[in-house]
Amino acid sequence: AQKITQTQPGMFVQEKEAVTLDCTYDTSDPSYGLFWYKQPSSGEMIFLIYQGSYDQQNATEGRYSLNFQKARKSANLVISASQLGDSAMYFCAMSSFNQGGKLIFGQGTELSVKP
Amino acid sequence: SQTIHQWPATLVQPVGSPLSLECTVEGTSNPNLYWYRQAAGRGLQLLFYSVGIGQISSEVPQNLSASRPQDRQFILSSKKLLLSDSGFYLCAWSRESRVNEQYFGPGTRLTVT
Repeated sequence: AQKITQTQPGMFVQEKEAVTLDCTYDTSDPSYGLFWYKQPSSGEMIFLIYQGSYDQQNATEGRYSLNFQKARKSANLVISASQLGDSAMYFCAMSSFNQGGKLIFGQGTELSVKP
Repeated sequence: SQTIHQWPATLVQPVGSPLSLECTVEGTSNPNLYWYRQAAGRGLQLLFYSVGIGQISSEVPQNLSASRPQDRQFILSSKKLLLSDSGFYLCAWSRESRVNEQYFGPGTRLTVT
């Protein structure tokens, strides 16, 4: 069965510092994708970054990077130079080829950025 | 560019009443469409997905149903709401592909009283 685990219910980070949000996954499908979404208090889910299982390099999008360690089945999100606007819930998600692209979400991590 | 709309934004309905939530996508054709529900402080649970007009797959047995009458329209319905149907309902679309990022609408906050 496919599963996403986020073990940090809440995290604090000082403004301008970097923070790592943990995500581990489990799947037997060799072709899959890993995603991170941000959910501010307004509720909308905002797509941040994507990593394919066959990608050789870690994905980066601006201040977001995904630390993909395939052997450990981990896909941690790194946010550099945190800003107050980064305070939100962050969800890790996975979809696989054999599951028809359906997303499975973790339980989320609530990030609070301190001024 | 693509845009996804959901309405209403908020809804308060009594137990036993019907439900209809609508989702429409602009700027793309033949998208995959999804309905998710999020309980307070929890992750998202996939309810339904559709790869084409009239094609609906259900993930969780419940008193909800979905329909896709047009290519870019996805509707979530219920004949009789339960208290447990309260939650935040999100519609999403993705490109016609097996593994692809999904883009979400603004959501509907449903409270069943």
